Amino acid sequence: GQSLEQPSEVTAVEGAIVQINCTYQTSGFYGLSWYQQHDGGAPTFLSYNGLDGLEETGRFSSFLSRSDSYGYLLLQELQMKDSASYFCAVRDRAGGFKTIFGAGTRLFVKA
Amino acid sequence: EPEVTQTPSHQVTQMGQEVILRCVPISNHLYFYWYRQILGQKVEFLVSFYNNEISEKSEIFDDQFSVERPDGSNFTLKIRSTKLEDSAMYFCASGTGINEQFFGPGTRLTVL
Repeated sequence: GQSLEQPSEVTAVEGAIVQINCTYQTSGFYGLSWYQQHDGGAPTFLSYNGLDGLEETGRFSSFLSRSDSYGYLLLQELQMKDSASYFCAVRDRAGGFKTIFGAGTRLFVKA
Repeated sequence: EPEVTQTPSHQVTQMGQEVILRCVPISNHLYFYWYRQILGQKVEFLVSFYNNEISEKSEIFDDQFSVERPDGSNFTLKIRSTKLEDSAMYFCASGTGINEQFFGPGTRLTVL
């Protein structure tokens, strides 16, 4: 089966940097994605890592280490509007291309 | 900017009734998905659709669920006989490849 683990909650202050970790277990790993979801809203795609290393998109970066089955999302220069839930999601090619989401990390940004 | 749309935004139905949730994916996208999210819980994969057929489905997607792409623009999810536990937010998503998915705003289904 597949499983993903990420912290349930993280709190940080405005302007700071925060890292949200994700470890995964899957039989046919294809790639790791990150999504942001504000309360009452839809998930919004942030980044994708298919290969090891760092992907940078503005204030957000994502890292993947396939040998460690681990990735993280790095948010820099935190803003109040970054308060949301962040989900890592694994693309599993074991039986096709299913996307499995983690339980989400709720980020609280304080002034 | 093109976006995925879903209708209705909220559907209330009686247990045992059939519901059809509608989605219009972004026009040049080839991959389509349905997910559900029970309030306060994680997003759960239901089904993926490519080249006019289901490419993958989860254990949740049993015989009471079906998907269709009846024309070039719509993508529907049908639940044949709704149960109380089907109450959730249902999200449609689409993408040009298999990495990035654009989600619609969701349909909140309430089964009474």
